[in-house]
Amino acid sequence: GQQVMQIPQYQHVQEGEDFTTYCNSSTTLSNIQWYKQRPGGHPVFLIQLVKSGEVKKQKRLTFQFGEAKKNSSLHITATQTTDVGTYFCAGGQGAQKLVFGQGTRLTINP
Amino acid sequence: NAGVTQTPKFQVLKTGQSMTLQCAQDMNHNSMYWYRQDPGMGLRLIYYSASEGTTDKGEVPNGYNVSRLNKREFSLRLESAAPSQTSVYFCASSEVGQDYEQYFGPGTRLTVT
Repeated sequence: GQQVMQIPQYQHVQEGEDFTTYCNSSTTLSNIQWYKQRPGGHPVFLIQLVKSGEVKKQKRLTFQFGEAKKNSSLHITATQTTDVGTYFCAGGQGAQKLVFGQGTRLTINP
Repeated sequence: NAGVTQTPKFQVLKTGQSMTLQCAQDMNHNSMYWYRQDPGMGLRLIYYSASEGTTDKGEVPNGYNVSRLNKREFSLRLESAAPSQTSVYFCASSEVGQDYEQYFGPGTRLTVT
C-alpha cells in the first residue's frame, strides 16, 4: 500500500534558527496536506498543495510540492517558541482517505 | 459551533473489556474518520465513512468496529480490548474526498491494562 515517510523524526533548534521537514511518498500523490499538532493537542490543518512544483508561503512557513508529486517539504524561517509541535504531512492518492507520515517533532531552545 | 467532539477524554480498561468511543461533528460534513496515534507512528487510519450509511476499513481495522449512526455521529467500538490498543484515538471529519482538510476532535486517551 501507499507509504508516506517523513524525516527527521525529531529536530531540536535554537530559537531563530531555521527548520525543515521532508516528506516522501512511495507513489505519486494527487495532493498533499500539512498539519501541526501542539503538545497535548490535536492535529490542525495548515495547507494543501495540489500542483506539481507548487510553492506556498504562510508568513515564515514555506511549503513545496515536488515536480514528480512524490515529495514535499515544510521550511520554517527563524523559528519562534510558538512553532513547537509535531508537523505531519498527509498524502492523498485519488481516494477518500489520506495517508499520514510519522511526523517531525520540533522542539526549540529559547 | 463546537466542531468535532469526542467522549470520553480519558479511559482505562482491563484486558477483555469493551467500550465505545463517541464522536460527533456539527459542520455538516459527509466524511468522518477514526485514527489512532502511537509514539513514532503518526496517525493511522482505523475506519472511515465517506457518507452516511457507508463505512470502510483503513490501515489498522482489526479489533475495532464502527457505526455511522447518522450524518453527525460516528462511533468506534472495541469489543475485547487488548493492551496493544492502548493509544490516543482521534476522530476527524471533512467534506467528501481527500481534497478537503480534515477537522480533528480533541482525542481520547485510552489505556488497556
